[in-house]
Amino acid sequence: DGGITQSPKYLFRKEGQNVTLSCEQNLNHDAMYWYRQDPGQGLRLIYYSQIVNDFQKGDIAEGYSVSREKKESFPLTVTSAQKNPTAFYLCASSIAGAGARGNTGELFFGEGSRLTVL
Amino acid sequence: SQKIEQNSEALNIQEGKTATLTCNYTNYSPAYLQWYRQDPGRGPVFLLLIRENEKEKRKERLKVTFDTTLKQSLFHITASQPADSATYLCALEFNAGKSTFGDGTTLTVKP
Repeated sequence: DGGITQSPKYLFRKEGQNVTLSCEQNLNHDAMYWYRQDPGQGLRLIYYSQIVNDFQKGDIAEGYSVSREKKESFPLTVTSAQKNPTAFYLCASSIAGAGARGNTGELFFGEGSRLTVL
Repeated sequence: SQKIEQNSEALNIQEGKTATLTCNYTNYSPAYLQWYRQDPGRGPVFLLLIRENEKEKRKERLKVTFDTTLKQSLFHITASQPADSATYLCALEFNAGKSTFGDGTTLTVKP
């Protein structure tokens, strides 16, 4: 089945450690995104990539890094510079924005990775 | 910067009634607006999109309106069911490829 796979589902990290969250999609989508969600809040954009080997910072990129070496993969590294990394992280992909008629710009989300810093 | 407000954190209604959720935004006008459903511990699932030149969109029991003068979208679920209980998020795309989400409204439909 086509979709987005995030791993791990749960992750615990000690302060000062870097961790990498995996995101793989087999939907042949060009665009991929990383969002962060805190309890009772909406999604905030960390990074996004509209094409391989290119990515842009979102609204809260500080303390995070990404790479886009393959169309299918968009891993997110939470570095020790991120002051409050405990959160629910969501990866998404889309064909493109909704600029073209008939395209909904729908974001397809993975099941999320919950990171807890001990 | 863009700001999105969804009417309330929680909405409780009786089964069979119509649920109405609100999404208000400030500053720039988005090209389109989307509504998503999110269940606890899961990723959001896309429901509907409405473009700036559309007034209303329907899909089964769902109806979305978009008033660019009021800078507001309304999301209606008619004949609500307990299975409709979830958090509903609105998202606006202001810049190509970059969607901004509201904080969501948690709907509870009581039998």
